[in-house]
Amino acid sequence: KAGVTQTPRYLIKTRGQQVTLSCSPISGHRSVSWYQQTPGQGLQFLFEYFSETQRNKGNFPGRFSGRQFSNSRSEMNVSTLELGDSALYLCASSLDNTDTQYFGPGTRLTVL
Amino acid sequence: AQSVTQPDIHITVSEGASLELRCNYSYGATPYLFWYVQSPGQGLQLLLKYFSGDTLVQGIKGFEAEFKRSQSSFNLRKPSVHWSDAAEYFCAVLLSGTYKYIFGTGTRLKVLA
Repeated sequence: KAGVTQTPRYLIKTRGQQVTLSCSPISGHRSVSWYQQTPGQGLQFLFEYFSETQRNKGNFPGRFSGRQFSNSRSEMNVSTLELGDSALYLCASSLDNTDTQYFGPGTRLTVL
Repeated sequence: AQSVTQPDIHITVSEGASLELRCNYSYGATPYLFWYVQSPGQGLQLLLKYFSGDTLVQGIKGFEAEFKRSQSSFNLRKPSVHWSDAAEYFCAVLLSGTYKYIFGTGTRLKVLA
């Protein structure tokens, strides 16, 4: 069974731009969570989607948004990028979020 | 507030030596507990998990962890470390009744040949 895939793997943007990251979960998994990982803050929970509904959200500004499609694929969007948004963005999928999460390789976003 | 503490930011051990990585959580009830490992530039890989039952849990790559309710701890152990174990290790909890994981800040393991 294929693992969680994330595209693109690397991205360079400039301040003020917006970006969309994509995550394809493991087949059959309906829960997708997103995390931001930085050296200073560690892994911070962004949001979790299940069956196209956002069930939980972390403490991030409204510039961070996401959505999930009927095939469970998920996207997250960051608008008006700031330098501090440079991070590794990780996606994780599970059958349900009471189950084990399996992580993708991440998207490395650099904001210049 | 709920939290996960990994008190050791860096640990260095010699190859073949034993290893223990500490994890403490702060939560009123027993959460689901996990240990993940992350190699440079990679995502997180699950090592083991505890939901209920036997408090000593076996995982992949020869790792084990013990849940101690009285100490709110879930320490990861390995009897003999290999050079390939050098990575960053994260303890995580899933709060029952929520859909949110909380991760510790990680422990970076260095293995000396």
